[in-house]
Amino acid sequence: GEDVEQSLFLSVREGDSSVINCTYTDSSSTYLYWYKQEPGAGLQLLTYIFSNMDMKQDQRLTVLLNKKDKHLSLRIADTQTGDSAIYFCAESGGYNKLIFGAGTRLAVHP
Amino acid sequence: SAVISQKPSRDICQRGTSLTIQCQVDSQVTMMFWYRQQPGQSLTLIATANQGSEATYESGFVIDKFPISRPNLTFSTLTVSNMSPEDSSIYLCSVGVGPGEQFFGPGTRLTVL
Repeated sequence: GEDVEQSLFLSVREGDSSVINCTYTDSSSTYLYWYKQEPGAGLQLLTYIFSNMDMKQDQRLTVLLNKKDKHLSLRIADTQTGDSAIYFCAESGGYNKLIFGAGTRLAVHP
Repeated sequence: SAVISQKPSRDICQRGTSLTIQCQVDSQVTMMFWYRQQPGQSLTLIATANQGSEATYESGFVIDKFPISRPNLTFSTLTVSNMSPEDSSIYLCSVGVGPGEQFFGPGTRLTVL
């Protein structure tokens, strides 16, 4: 069945780049997403990538998609303390319903 | 994008009771969804709320436990029935507004004692 996997924790120093990785199994996924969840808050759509794209850049965020390996990554440049949150990778499982990974907790330290 | 509100934002309920959660969107949308996020866990889709017809439930979720209404294109409700402590979760509604664009409400944090 459909499955999305992420590493659970990442710690980076303020100012460094963060790279959060995700693998998925459904090769028919049309869109792949990155959401951010801060403590006690809902989900914020950060960015998404269409499956026929390899890369998408939006300010400090860069998404890379390797469709052959079913691997998705999110790079955050110049990571700040405000970037500390849980980042969820998700794939569209058809009819717009989303399959989520377990989330990667990003901790940014001085 | 879409502005989504949910009521209540949080509640503490006794076991055996029911709670109805409301989701309101600031524009008409075709696709509305209800998700559950159990403590420390990821999100799981409960059902797709269809306007004018019954909701479509995912495996493991049934209408008797989670009845859903979708009276129009901007509003939906999810009821958590006959609650037990295992139902303590954050319940989130989401809407699809276009290809690749799915937005979430702020969530309803439910604690069942």
